[in-house]
Amino acid sequence: QVQLQESGPGLVKPSETLSLTCAVSGYSITTAYYWGWIRQSPGMGLEWIGSVYHGGNTNYNPSLRNRLTVSLDPSKNQFSLKLTSVTAADTAVYYCVRDVDSEHFNWFDPWGQGTLVVVSS
Amino acid sequence: DIQMTQSPSSLSASVGDRVTITCRASQTITRYLNWYQHKPGKAPKLLIYAASTLQSGVPSRFSGSGSGTDFTLTISSLQPEDFATYYCQQNYLSLYTFGQGTRLEIK
Repeated sequence: QVQLQESGPGLVKPSETLSLTCAVSGYSITTAYYWGWIRQSPGMGLEWIGSVYHGGNTNYNPSLRNRLTVSLDPSKNQFSLKLTSVTAADTAVYYCVRDVDSEHFNWFDPWGQGTLVVVSS
Repeated sequence: DIQMTQSPSSLSASVGDRVTITCRASQTITRYLNWYQHKPGKAPKLLIYAASTLQSGVPSRFSGSGSGTDFTLTISSLQPEDFATYYCQQNYLSLYTFGQGTRLEIK
């Protein structure tokens, strides 16, 4: 059974970099699939952030592309999110997901429990 | 971007009721549509992918239909554990987008 668990600071100062890690158990991230991030701001809906393919290619939300890096760490079987120059608008619950691609259909399964990140001085 | 609009935004229903949630896309997405269930404090859960394929382990009371721009998620007989928020999500374009959610509450 594949399980994902997010970790990282719960508080980040404005203009600094938000860094999160997703530990994956039950599956090797270098075998297949994309691995990605989704967030939900307070009172708002879900926003797809970006994904990294098991081979290293990336797919980013254009609205975040200039500030975003999603990468793999195969040695630890985890992947990470780095978002630079954060503002209060980046305050959200961040979820890591496995992004499954089958015959050009994509879906997110499973999801991590989510971690709240607050941007505040 | 493809905008996804769900209706209703919230819904009150009783155990045993049949419930339908609608999702409309701003342009055709053929069958590139997924449904998720989200309970507070828990990881969202995939219910249906490719518009109508039930994810393994999901009860058969859940079903999905539709193609093009209009889709529905139906719960045939509500159970107590089904009270949650439901989201649709399109993957027709690689810029994935979600509906705003439908909160299903106990009447």
